[in-house]
Amino acid sequence: GAVVSQHPSWVICKSGTSVKIECRSLDFQATTMFWYRQFPKQSLMLMATSNEGSKATYEQGVEKDKFLINHASLTLSTLTVTSAHPEDSSFYICSAALAGGTDTQYFGPGTRLTVL
Amino acid sequence: TQLLEQSPQFLSIQEGENLTVYCNSSSVFSSLQWYRQEPGEGPVLLVTVVTGGEVKKLKRLTFQFGDARKDSSLHITAAQPGDTGLYLCAGGNTGTASKLTFGTGTRLQVTL
Repeated sequence: GAVVSQHPSWVICKSGTSVKIECRSLDFQATTMFWYRQFPKQSLMLMATSNEGSKATYEQGVEKDKFLINHASLTLSTLTVTSAHPEDSSFYICSAALAGGTDTQYFGPGTRLTVL
Repeated sequence: TQLLEQSPQFLSIQEGENLTVYCNSSSVFSSLQWYRQEPGEGPVLLVTVVTGGEVKKLKRLTFQFGDARKDSSLHITAAQPGDTGLYLCAGGNTGTASKLTFGTGTRLQVTL
């Protein structure tokens, strides 16, 4: 149980285009989903916290107009990287927390974004 | 801002050796989790500890939460190549909607 999927698993796009990444909780409802970014050989950096039906809460230094987050249902959150640039190339990982659960987060397999 | 420092940052050992990874903070956490991440994949939860002084064992892995809930350690006995990966600790606080603060990470390489 507690499986989280991400789509796509990898994407290559041209500079200036927008890319959407989906995060789904497959067998549970997730009131809260989280989006992380991970650069090579580094730890996970939280970008934003996404609550179903409300606006996402962004961490300091993360541009909310560039990284659009939508959490339309208890099983789906999307991250759209708008006007992507090469410096946005990274490994994006989402996680989901069980509704009414503890601190445990279940992580997706990640999406590798490469911006040319 | 809560910070979690892990040490060592990188560890290369031979199969059969023992090792300990440390996770330290000046902040108190309500829970502490350990994850292992392999290249190109998401982190996989190994254990959650919530009580100061708590010790949990998972086969050859032993996890301990500090008495003051500010630090934790992961000890691996008789390491195997399959233990290779990035080990991450993460601290959580009750009332922050499950938000986690991740440690700096320890990259472990176990060779034959």
